[in-house]
Amino acid sequence: EAQVTQNPRYLITVTGKKLTVTCSQNMNHEYMSWYRQDPGLGLRQIYYSMNVEATDKGDVPEGYKVSRKEKRNFPLILESPSPNQTSLYFCASSLRAGDEQFFGPGTRLTVL
Amino acid sequence: GQNIDQPTEMTATEGAIVQINCTYQTSGFNGLFWYQQHAGEAPTFLSYNVLDGLEEKGRFSSFLSRSKGYSYLLLKELQMKDSASYLCARVNTGFQKLVFGTGTRLLVSP
Repeated sequence: EAQVTQNPRYLITVTGKKLTVTCSQNMNHEYMSWYRQDPGLGLRQIYYSMNVEATDKGDVPEGYKVSRKEKRNFPLILESPSPNQTSLYFCASSLRAGDEQFFGPGTRLTVL
Repeated sequence: GQNIDQPTEMTATEGAIVQINCTYQTSGFNGLFWYQQHAGEAPTFLSYNVLDGLEEKGRFSSFLSRSKGYSYLLLKELQMKDSASYLCARVNTGFQKLVFGTGTRLLVSP
């Protein structure tokens, strides 16, 4: 089944404890992206990747890192999480930039 | 987000027609998406408009006017399952970034 998977789906952590949210797609998509969704603010793009080894900042990249070593995987790294990073995170992918994006199921992160 | 405006909430009755508007900044614009998002779930694709005009897909249609910076999503024969948030999103020049509005929550009542 063609899909975007994210892990974990739920995570509660403490300030400063490094964490990684994984994202994987099995559709051979070139473009991948991370978003966070907060009430009243909608979906905001954190980072995106046009292809392997090509990543760039979105609108809210501060406090996040990403890597794209393989086409299928696009992990989101929080080196030192803070409470303002408590949010619902979505990974998405599309065949090419500008195409319809397929979203993962979301990761609900709470930073205490 | 980034000068994309859509109403926060709308209500409608089962079987009716509802139009959800979206206005956006025209500079650097390349196309407009509509996504549906049920509570607690991921957004799913509804439509993509690049050229002016109306595109119809079953009960859902989407309209775009590039010169006016305006789009709408038209939902006909509303069903209870259409209760969801509807997100409009613009594709910027270069197709690299997708910028979402804050979404319109639609409540369909019997």
